[in-house]
Amino acid sequence: GIQVEQSPPDLILQEGANSTLRCNFSDSVNNLQWFHQNPWGQLINLFYIPSGTKQNGRLSATTVATERYSLLYISSSQTTDSGVYFCAVRGNRDDKIIFGKGTRLHILP
Amino acid sequence: GAVVSQHPSWVICKSGTSVKIECRSLDFQATTMFWYRQFPKQSLMLMATSNEGSKATYEQGVEKDKFLINHASLTLSTLTVTSAHPEDSSFYICSAKRGQGFNTEAFFGQGTRLTVV
Repeated sequence: GIQVEQSPPDLILQEGANSTLRCNFSDSVNNLQWFHQNPWGQLINLFYIPSGTKQNGRLSATTVATERYSLLYISSSQTTDSGVYFCAVRGNRDDKIIFGKGTRLHILP
Repeated sequence: GAVVSQHPSWVICKSGTSVKIECRSLDFQATTMFWYRQFPKQSLMLMATSNEGSKATYEQGVEKDKFLINHASLTLSTLTVTSAHPEDSSFYICSAKRGQGFNTEAFFGQGTRLTVV
């Protein structure tokens, strides 16, 4: 099945810093989503981005489908940005949504 | 965005009992729903794909007799953990796909934290 790798696994930054999270996938995808999991476990949809670039406030994402990667950018980080960020993809062969292992982000005040 | 509601948010049960978790799509119809399991500080692992009106498709290693899935309507899927044991304690999350086809967005419930004592 399709493999999803996220990097870095952990990231510690000072408040106000910018960060880039990466998601590599092993096969063509029809769907790619970025999520933020809050401390209570809720998955918050950040972006639905199988290709191209999107922006939402301080967050933006770019997916280069032909090169099989996606990037999530967080600018001017705030402590509330802390948590785990997951990339999830759906390949061409079936309907399954497969998650990467996540990036655990810590924003220090 | 679309809303998926999961109930209960947390449950404690005794070993040997069964627990039912509900997943509802509140403002859209979902022919396909997915059930995931997440251990502490780990990723979400797909357990099964639930299709309305047909049998669920289980991932390798997931016991279909222990984790019963029923997708009886276009807005409701249920996961029943039968004869629960402490090792079944985990965070269970459901997802519903809005629309048909592969290039559709998925939305997730808030999760259910199951503790078996």
